[in-house]
Amino acid sequence: NAGVTQTPKFQVLKTGQSMTLQCAQDMNHNSMYWYRQDPGMGLRLIYYSASEGTTDKGEVPNGYNVSRLNKREFSLRLESAAPSQTSVYFCASGTSGGQETQYFGPGTRLLVL
Amino acid sequence: GEDVEQSLFLSVREGDSSVINCTYTDSSSTYLYWYKQEPGAGLQLLTYIFSNMDMKQDQRLTVLLNKKDKHLSLRIADTQTGDSAIYFCAEALSGGYNKLIFGAGTRLAVHP
Repeated sequence: NAGVTQTPKFQVLKTGQSMTLQCAQDMNHNSMYWYRQDPGMGLRLIYYSASEGTTDKGEVPNGYNVSRLNKREFSLRLESAAPSQTSVYFCASGTSGGQETQYFGPGTRLLVL
Repeated sequence: GEDVEQSLFLSVREGDSSVINCTYTDSSSTYLYWYKQEPGAGLQLLTYIFSNMDMKQDQRLTVLLNKKDKHLSLRIADTQTGDSAIYFCAEALSGGYNKLIFGAGTRLAVHP
């Protein structure tokens, strides 16, 4: 039982390049989330998916797109990377409804030059 | 708007108790959480408390909730060097999904 896995662990991009961050969970959770973490700040929600087939914007969605490929996988795409997107990206999953605990992946560290 | 505030740094001696404080603004919070982040790792859930409780104890961890003052604290008894990490407070808001609002995190340093 691996929990939440993310790939890649590290990535360096040039401004304008695109990339997709992958996330998968094996806990049969309905909801999945993408957050970014910046120094001195808490985590901020980028996008979430309450169930397979649905996605919605979070607090900071600009510059990102997501795909809920199936119940297990939720990817985050940067179409044209900008230096302001340099951050650590965390994927999380959780059961939905009532008290939900979110379980986090190990993170992807992204540097945009 | 919704906001969660924490002090940024706490230093304690090994064996002492640590108390990490958090304040939040939204009175509609349903659950409040404490997460721990070790260097280079993701967030690990430590404990949570439902908003109608005022205390929860789990081994060395004690969570106190003062709903009137919107104040949450995490006490770690007999703090060890392995407790050195960043601790995040988060509130869950009711709504269409489990929206979590995180504080900026408190870095706990444990010294001999």
